Amino acid sequence: NAGVTQTPKFQVLKTGQSMTLQCAQDMNHNSMYWYRQDPGMGLRLIYYSASEGTTDKGEVPNGYNVSRLNKREFSLRLESAAPSQTSVYFCASSEAWGWAGELFFGEGSRLTVL
Amino acid sequence: SQKIEQNSEALNIQEGKTATLTCNYTNYSPAYLQWYRQDPGRGPVFLLLIRENEKEKRKERLKVTFDTTLKQSLFHITASQPADSATYLCALSGRIDMRFGAGTRLTVKP
Repeated sequence: NAGVTQTPKFQVLKTGQSMTLQCAQDMNHNSMYWYRQDPGMGLRLIYYSASEGTTDKGEVPNGYNVSRLNKREFSLRLESAAPSQTSVYFCASSEAWGWAGELFFGEGSRLTVL
Repeated sequence: SQKIEQNSEALNIQEGKTATLTCNYTNYSPAYLQWYRQDPGRGPVFLLLIRENEKEKRKERLKVTFDTTLKQSLFHITASQPADSATYLCALSGRIDMRFGAGTRLTVKP
């Protein structure tokens, strides 16, 4: 079982460029999430999707868009990258909705914006 | 505003001792509290979940306590081993979100 797979693992962008981070899970989970992790700040929720066809903003959504393509896939798009978006991005999934279930995380995508 | 604080950035202990990590929170009423382990360059991995009406939960060498009056959770690793060296994150979840602490980096020295 692959679990949660994120691509790419590393990316360097110039300010103003766009890119999409891809995430897929093979556990048939309903809920999927995008977090960013910065030193000393913990994981912060960008967007989440409680089920296929729905998405909602988290704590830090500005500058990002998401698409829940189907039950397996949840992508995160940066339309015009800024240096403040340099971070490690984690996709996660869970079986349950309501924040009661454990999260399964991918290995992360390390993004640098110059 | 909501705040989650984990006792320190780093904790160093000797192999065989009990490691105790603290998670304190303010302006939050979590229904659940979870602990995750994160190794360098990897994603977090779930360890334990405890509900607001539970005082303590155990899993092998791990023990978690949850005191909603003190607004604190303690995470213990007994008989610690160098392989337990990692960053440990606490996460609080309520009705509308899940929030993470910044983590405590534990180093167990042989």
